[in-house]
Amino acid sequence: KNQVEQSPQSLIILEGKNCTLQCNYTVSPFSNLRWYKQDTGRGPVSLTIMTFSENTKSNGRYTATLDADTKQSSLHITASQLSDSASYICVVSAWNNNDMRFGAGTRLTVKP
Amino acid sequence: GAGVSQSPSNKVTEKGKDVELRCDPISGHTALYWYRQSLGQGLEFLIYFQGNSAPDKSGLPSDRFSAERTGGSVSTLTIQRTQQEDSAVYLCASRTQGTDTQYFGPGTRLTVL
Repeated sequence: KNQVEQSPQSLIILEGKNCTLQCNYTVSPFSNLRWYKQDTGRGPVSLTIMTFSENTKSNGRYTATLDADTKQSSLHITASQLSDSASYICVVSAWNNNDMRFGAGTRLTVKP
Repeated sequence: GAGVSQSPSNKVTEKGKDVELRCDPISGHTALYWYRQSLGQGLEFLIYFQGNSAPDKSGLPSDRFSAERTGGSVSTLTIQRTQQEDSAVYLCASRTQGTDTQYFGPGTRLTVL
């Protein structure tokens, strides 16, 4: 069983709307959690990184939250744009940064 | 500045052939990772190089897979006797010492016929 579960698997929204992507994990001991954006045919690009002590971090219109007690994270996208269409991948690291667990990603499509 | 580059961008090969995939990390980055991304699947860790330390090969799926990093820079991932299940996008990432952020290359799409 994957130690990082993302939902929904895919999502379609209209341009200008907000959306929230979910990431639940069982990785332990926890070190940090990252959200990546991966455009089709490209490598992932880091959006946010959060450690145990952080519960929210923003990067422009992207805001990530972390609840280390319930082992849940969310990525909120505000005022979506067509360019937000991509896969969003949640990555959780254990104590050793080599021990990374990747979610399968959420495929977001923003339509005009 | 230049990011992580990978070559070739696409590779089609026949089952049983050997392939070599190349990764040029960002200059000065001491850490280098290889991942595999199969269709509809998450990223799968393959191998990790950090400076002159012995690489972490714990993610390599079989002994047909090997990787080298020469001179602490360029890395080559070699797959011997390719199988159809090896078809995937192979991604390379690099990281500078003291930071957590990995910078990914565009990947090599491998298709084994």
